[in-house]
Amino acid sequence: DTEVTQTPKHLVMGMTNKKSLKCEQHMGHRAMYWYKQKAKKPPELMFVYSYEKLSINESVPSRFSPECPNSSLLNLHLHALQPEDSALYLCASSQADEGGELFFGEGSRLTVL
Amino acid sequence: EDQVTQSPEALRLQEGESSSLNCSYTVSGLRGLFWYRQDPGKGPEFLFTLYSAGEEKEKERLKATLTKKESFLHITAPKPEDSATYLCAVREDSWGKLQFGAGTQVVVTP
Repeated sequence: DTEVTQTPKHLVMGMTNKKSLKCEQHMGHRAMYWYKQKAKKPPELMFVYSYEKLSINESVPSRFSPECPNSSLLNLHLHALQPEDSALYLCASSQADEGGELFFGEGSRLTVL
Repeated sequence: EDQVTQSPEALRLQEGESSSLNCSYTVSGLRGLFWYRQDPGKGPEFLFTLYSAGEEKEKERLKATLTKKESFLHITAPKPEDSATYLCAVREDSWGKLQFGAGTQVVVTP
């Protein structure tokens, strides 16, 4: 069983909708990540939070807005998405001084109509 | 230019038929090479971390090795449950930024 929980597992939204993806971990990790993965492609880093502060933003369009309310929670707010944003969105966490041993959730499958 | 290249793209094995996957990298300051396993529709699962040339790690039927330019993931006597996509990733100087390879899809048939 994964210790990183993502909700919802599936999301279908229109281009004018506003929705949010949620991620929770209780491993005491102080770094949390959002990755985007298209079919048959490797995960692509979007954002990294370290100690609840945004430390890396990989030039992601502003229609994706991350939020880290506390050390256990990570949100990704979605607004005015495009069909090409349809993908599997993965949340991960790690020890704060470790950047490679990541614990991933099962992902949220997003479809933009 | 790709920094991490995995080969082959796909591998079909008979149960018990050992094989190796390759991950070559071109980063200048390697701060770690990581292997993950990913099942369809799931998030990647961490397998190994390798830091320096000559290092080896083992877990059940999997063994990862590292040289200065590449890493190998050896699968010994695989079982159908070893079917998955195996991803390698490298970390350079920037903390938190992993560069993933495209993966090798392994199918093990009974």
